[in-house]
Amino acid sequence: TQLLEQSPQFLSIQEGENLTVYCNSSSVFSSLQWYRQEPGEGPVLLVTVVTGGEVKKLKRLTFQFGDARKDSSLHITAAQPGDTGLYLCASSNTGKLIFGQGTTLQVKP
Amino acid sequence: ETGVTQTPRHLVMGMTNKKSLKCEQHLGHNAMYWYKQSAKKPLELMFVYSLEERVENNSVPSRFSPECPNSSHLFLHLHTLQPEDSALYLCASSQSTSSGATQYFGPGTRLLVL
Repeated sequence: TQLLEQSPQFLSIQEGENLTVYCNSSSVFSSLQWYRQEPGEGPVLLVTVVTGGEVKKLKRLTFQFGDARKDSSLHITAAQPGDTGLYLCASSNTGKLIFGQGTTLQVKP
Repeated sequence: ETGVTQTPRHLVMGMTNKKSLKCEQHLGHNAMYWYKQSAKKPLELMFVYSLEERVENNSVPSRFSPECPNSSHLFLHLHTLQPEDSALYLCASSQSTSSGATQYFGPGTRLLVL
């Protein structure tokens, strides 16, 4: 079973700062998804990356898929309080989603 | 709003109670899922239904019993639960169970077992 490790587990920063969170596996991903989960809600899909080396941007969020498709990163520029939440990476190899344990991000005003 | 609703949003039950969680999707999807989200553990897949047939049971104890009467509704029947079953139970749906199909999650039911 593929295991996904996310780091850091917790991150507390001031508004305006930049940050990067990571998702790593010992196995190759067929594809990787990033979700954000806000308190009291379910996870919401942000992006899916499929190709090694792929970079996708979603406003202030930049997602990168490693060349070997075994790691991914999410970079947030000029974080805002609205970015607060749990960021989850997930991989789907056989139709089943396997999730990492998540990075809890708190952005203070 | 993701098009997936869950009721109740919060539930407190004793170990001898029987209760049911309900999920409804308004997206016309053919696949539905139950996940368990505990503190300090990754989201765990429990059950998968495709076209109302169970296609995955991820080694879940029999005190959790799913039911999918049609492609829009999914239930999770609970009986004789343990305190360690306290968690957020999330329902999701997708167009199909293929790897590329996006899953849409409901807001979850926060369950506390006393």
